[in-house]
Amino acid sequence: DIQLTQSPSFLSASVGDRVTITCRASQGVSNYLAWYQQKPGKAPKVLIYAASTLLSGVPSRFSGSGSGTEFTLTISSLQPEDFATYYCQQLNSYPRTFGQGTKVEIK
Amino acid sequence: QVHLVQSGAEVKKPGASVKVSCKASGYTFSNYAINWVRQAPGQRLEWMGWINAGKGNTKYSQRFQGRVTITRDTSANITYMELSSLRSEDTAVYYCARDGYNYGSMGDYYYMDVWGKGTTVTVSS
Repeated sequence: DIQLTQSPSFLSASVGDRVTITCRASQGVSNYLAWYQQKPGKAPKVLIYAASTLLSGVPSRFSGSGSGTEFTLTISSLQPEDFATYYCQQLNSYPRTFGQGTKVEIK
Repeated sequence: QVHLVQSGAEVKKPGASVKVSCKASGYTFSNYAINWVRQAPGQRLEWMGWINAGKGNTKYSQRFQGRVTITRDTSANITYMELSSLRSEDTAVYYCARDGYNYGSMGDYYYMDVWGKGTTVTVSS
C-alpha cells in the first residue's frame, strides 16, 4: 500500500496567514492526488484533484501543486471558515489511501 | 441536486455483521462508482472499497478482504456495504462517497465529490 505522510499534523495560524501543508507519498503517484477539507462532525469535502485542479466553487485562495511523491496544499490568506482538518488522498493505485490529516486551528 | 442518503446508526455486538445503505438521487446512478470510507474516532479516513454502480464490479482494500461486501440495487439507486465478524476496532463513522471523474487528454482523474452524512457503527458487548 502507498503510505501518505502529511506535515505538519497540527498547525496554529491566524486569519490572513499563508498556510502550506505537505503530503509525501511512499512511492510515486504521478498527479493522482486529491485534497479534502473536513470540519468536526461533517463529511469531507473535496477541494482539489489531479494535484492542482480546483473544484468548481472552491475559493481561489486554495491551491495545490506537486507530482510524484511530494505535494503541497496552500491557503494564501486563511479565513475563519478554513479552520478544519485537511487530508490528502492518492488515487493512483488501490487501496486509495489517505494521509493522517493536518488540523488547522486558530492561533 | 445530487444527494447520498445513508441509513441510521447501528449498535452491534462483537462477531455480528452490519449492513449500511446509501441511496443516491439527483444523477444517473449507473454512471458513477460509489466508494465506502470509514473513520474511527480521532483517526484518519480509511478507504474500504468501491463498486461500479453500472457494471457491478468491485474492488476492496486487502485490510477488509473477506469481511466486507459492497453491492448495489440499480432499481432503487442504493448501494450497500456489509461488514462481518465485527470487532471493537470497527467502531467508526462509515461514509459512502461518489467517484467523480474528469476524463482529459492528460489522464483520467477521479475524486470523491459527493459524500453521505455518515453512519455511526458502534461495536460493543
